[in-house]
Amino acid sequence: QKEVEQNSGPLSVPEGAIASLNCTYSDRGSQSFFWYRQYSGKSPELIMSIYSNGDKEDGRFTAQLNKASQYVSLLIRDSQPSDSATYLCAVRSDFGNEKLTFGTGTRLTIIP
Amino acid sequence: NAGVTQTPKFQVLKTGQSMTLQCAQDMNHNSMYWYRQDPGMGLRLIYYSASEGTTDKGEVPNGYNVSRLNKREFSLRLESAAPSQTSVYFCASVAGTPYNEQFFGPGTRLTVL
Repeated sequence: QKEVEQNSGPLSVPEGAIASLNCTYSDRGSQSFFWYRQYSGKSPELIMSIYSNGDKEDGRFTAQLNKASQYVSLLIRDSQPSDSATYLCAVRSDFGNEKLTFGTGTRLTIIP
Repeated sequence: NAGVTQTPKFQVLKTGQSMTLQCAQDMNHNSMYWYRQDPGMGLRLIYYSASEGTTDKGEVPNGYNVSRLNKREFSLRLESAAPSQTSVYFCASVAGTPYNEQFFGPGTRLTVL
């Protein structure tokens, strides 16, 4: 059973600080990793994808991947109240398989 | 370019009633997926279609049927709705290889009484 684990939160972060969201996965052969943001009552929106070890930066977002530790994280710099949402981690096992395994999400609240 | 669209947005059914949830994408993707999302359970795959004319079961297919009408459209049918099918249903369209990012529609919130 492939598993993706996230702390459900809620995670509260002051406005302007760095929010750090973490995700671990069980399938050592996993190849592709995605972060989705989901506002309450809305659908998941893809915000970051990462495929190789190290960091990937896109604006205020940085995804970090460590395949040896089976760990992927999302950092949000200069957190804004509009970043308050649930963040879903998703993992794809290999390039021949499109299916994603989703974590249950971490609820993030940015405190003004 | 609407991306992924779903209809209806909301629906209330009585136990035993049937309905079809519609999904369409204009991104020319081959693959389309149906998920349900329940509190504390995350997103669970119901059915998927890797290409026009093919469909396969996901993690929770019981009580559902699907039709891949053409490349754009993928529908989900509940033949005899049960309260356990109360959920939010999302359709997703999947970009091509090698990364296969998934893009979600706005969802259908279904309540079965």
